[in-house]
Amino acid sequence: AQRVTQPEKLLSVFKGAPVELKCNYSYSGSPELFWYVQYSRQRLQLLLRHISRESIKGFTADLNKGETSFHLKKPFAQEEDSAMYYCALAVFGNEKLTFGTGTRLTIIP
Amino acid sequence: GAGVSQSPSNKVTEKGKDVELRCDPISGHTALYWYRQSLGQGLEFLIYFQGNSAPDKSGLPSDRFSAERTGGSVSTLTIQRTQQEDSAVYLCASSLMGLATPETQYFGPGTRLLVL
Repeated sequence: AQRVTQPEKLLSVFKGAPVELKCNYSYSGSPELFWYVQYSRQRLQLLLRHISRESIKGFTADLNKGETSFHLKKPFAQEEDSAMYYCALAVFGNEKLTFGTGTRLTIIP
Repeated sequence: GAGVSQSPSNKVTEKGKDVELRCDPISGHTALYWYRQSLGQGLEFLIYFQGNSAPDKSGLPSDRFSAERTGGSVSTLTIQRTQQEDSAVYLCASSLMGLATPETQYFGPGTRLLVL
């Protein structure tokens, strides 16, 4: 069975400092990994996904199959990055998302 | 175009009553998902519809929960004999059918259910 672990429930970072939100997964095959974000009073939305290999709002995430990780990183945090971040996994052919428990990121001005 | 919409946005009900939650997916999306977001359990998958295939009901927590999707578009999630532990935000999402890899899911604003 698939499982996604986000070890940090809460993370506070000063504005301008680097951010790393951790995500580890367990799945024996080749999953697709996603980061979803939920800003205050907004709906859950895609931030980025592994296959796109894009940088969105300065965030990047690299899939490390050896460590089964998909950590989210940004070199310089901005106040508007404060939000709830969810790492999620899906498998082709049965595409329900398995979510981690989420990390609430707070950027300190 | 319009995103995923859900109604009602909020629902307060008494324990033991039945409730129906509605989801309108993005036009043209063949896949539709229901998830539940609660403080204790995080985001949990409930049920998944893909085209004309039999739905994946593996996430439904009990037989009090059911869902249908009429005409391949609108979906209704029904909770019978509601219990206090059913209180949560119920999220709907839709996506195109993946051709080689899972497609991005687009979420609605959710229905906040409170069972008194």
